[in-house]
Amino acid sequence: ETGVTQSPTHLIKTRGQQVTLRCSSQSGHNTVSWYQQALGQGPQFIFQYYREEENGRGNFPPRFSGLQFPNYSSELNVNALELDDSALYLCASSAGGALGKDTQYFGPGTRLTVL
Amino acid sequence: GDSVTQMEGPVTLSEEAFLTINCTYTATGYPSLFWYVQYPGEGLQLLLKATKADDKGSNKGFEATYRKETTSFHLEKGSVQVSDSAVYFCALSAASYDKVIFGPGTSLSVIP
Repeated sequence: ETGVTQSPTHLIKTRGQQVTLRCSSQSGHNTVSWYQQALGQGPQFIFQYYREEENGRGNFPPRFSGLQFPNYSSELNVNALELDDSALYLCASSAGGALGKDTQYFGPGTRLTVL
Repeated sequence: GDSVTQMEGPVTLSEEAFLTINCTYTATGYPSLFWYVQYPGEGLQLLLKATKADDKGSNKGFEATYRKETTSFHLEKGSVQVSDSAVYFCALSAASYDKVIFGPGTSLSVIP
């Protein structure tokens, strides 16, 4: 059984650019959640996808958007990058579903630096 | 809204010392409670969980008991090792869907 994988591992962008981060969920999991972890802080929920539909969103602006594909992998897109977007972006998968409550398993994260 | 509070670090202990990291939560309904661990430069790993009141989660010598009356989920280990040095996050999952709410994390350093 493969775990959650994310790519790329590290990324450096400049302010105003756009970025796409990718996540492959754990085998058998149909729900993917994305989190932003600023340095020295706990992860903050960005949004969740279940069966290709957004299933909940945290307090992040619309320039943070996502997709989930039929194989349950996912992308996080951030437009018009700002310096404060520099963080570790974590993807987590679970088998919970739209109204489920199940354990989330995290990937290793993508470290984004915005200059 | 739902939230998690945990003791501030950093915490520095000698090897074989007893560890307690306090965690309290605020939530409506009956959340699941978790401890995640993050080793330097890595993502989050689930350490243990409890899904209902009085449940005890345990793993790798770590334990935590879901106390609804005190809304707490304190992490304990009887004898820490240098390899336990990491940041520990207390977290809850709301009953409505799977969003996980994290505390700010507690950094633990264990010295030989």
